[in-house]
Amino acid sequence: EVQLVESGGGLVQPGGSLRLSCAASGFTFSSYAMHWVRQAPGKGLEYVSAISSNGGSTYYANSVKGRFTISRDNSKNTLYLQMGSLRAEDMAVYYCASGTPGAFDIWGQGTMVTVSS
Amino acid sequence: QPVLTQPPSSSASPGESARLTCTLPSDINVGSYNIYWYQQKPGSPPRYLLYYYSDSDKGQGSGVPSRFSGSKDASANTGILLISGLQSEDEADYYCMIWPSNAWVFGGGTKLTVL
Repeated sequence: EVQLVESGGGLVQPGGSLRLSCAASGFTFSSYAMHWVRQAPGKGLEYVSAISSNGGSTYYANSVKGRFTISRDNSKNTLYLQMGSLRAEDMAVYYCASGTPGAFDIWGQGTMVTVSS
Repeated sequence: QPVLTQPPSSSASPGESARLTCTLPSDINVGSYNIYWYQQKPGSPPRYLLYYYSDSDKGQGSGVPSRFSGSKDASANTGILLISGLQSEDEADYYCMIWPSNAWVFGGGTKLTVL
C-alpha cells in the first residue's frame, strides 16, 4: 500500500524548534521529489517546502525561509522538516506529499503543530 | 508569489453542475500553465483530482470520476473545474494550483455546498 505517515507534531513555545518526519512506503521514495504543505486552522493550503529526489535541490516559501530546513534520507524512505524560531503563524497541520510534478496524488494524514506559550 | 483567486463559496443542487473558477493575476497568462485541482473534505488531506492545460493535454487523477473536468476561459484568465451530476459526496473544499515560476502556488479555495 502506498503510504505517507507524518509524525513529530505537537505543542511548542514561540521561538522553539520541532522536527517533523514523513515515512514513506509502497513506492520508490528515492525517485520522487517530496513536498511539505501546511494548513492553518480553518484556512487554505500553503505550499511550504520541497526537496528533489536526490536531495540536491530544495525550495522554501518566503514565510519559512531561514527558519525551516527540509531534508531526506532515501535509505530510510523518510522526509524531514526541521522547524526553528517557530511563530504563532506557523501553527498548522503539516502534510507531506508526493507524486509527479503538480499531481500530488500521495498525501499523508498530516501532523498538527501548535505554537503557544 | 502570485495570488490565485477563487470564490470563497459556491452551491448547487444534486444532479446539477458546479463551475468553480480560479482566476490568475493579469501578469500570468492562463494559457501558459497547467491548472491542477484538489478536493479536500473535512478532517482529510487533499485529494488530487486532475490537471488541465488544453483539450489535448489534460489528466485525471486515479479513480477520479469523469464527472470532474477542467477547462480554461482565456478571456477571463481563469481556470475552471466543472463538476457535473453533483452528488452529496462532492461537498468539499476545492483548491487550484499552478507553478508560476519556482514554486507551487495554491488558490484560496472554494467551499462547495451541495444543497
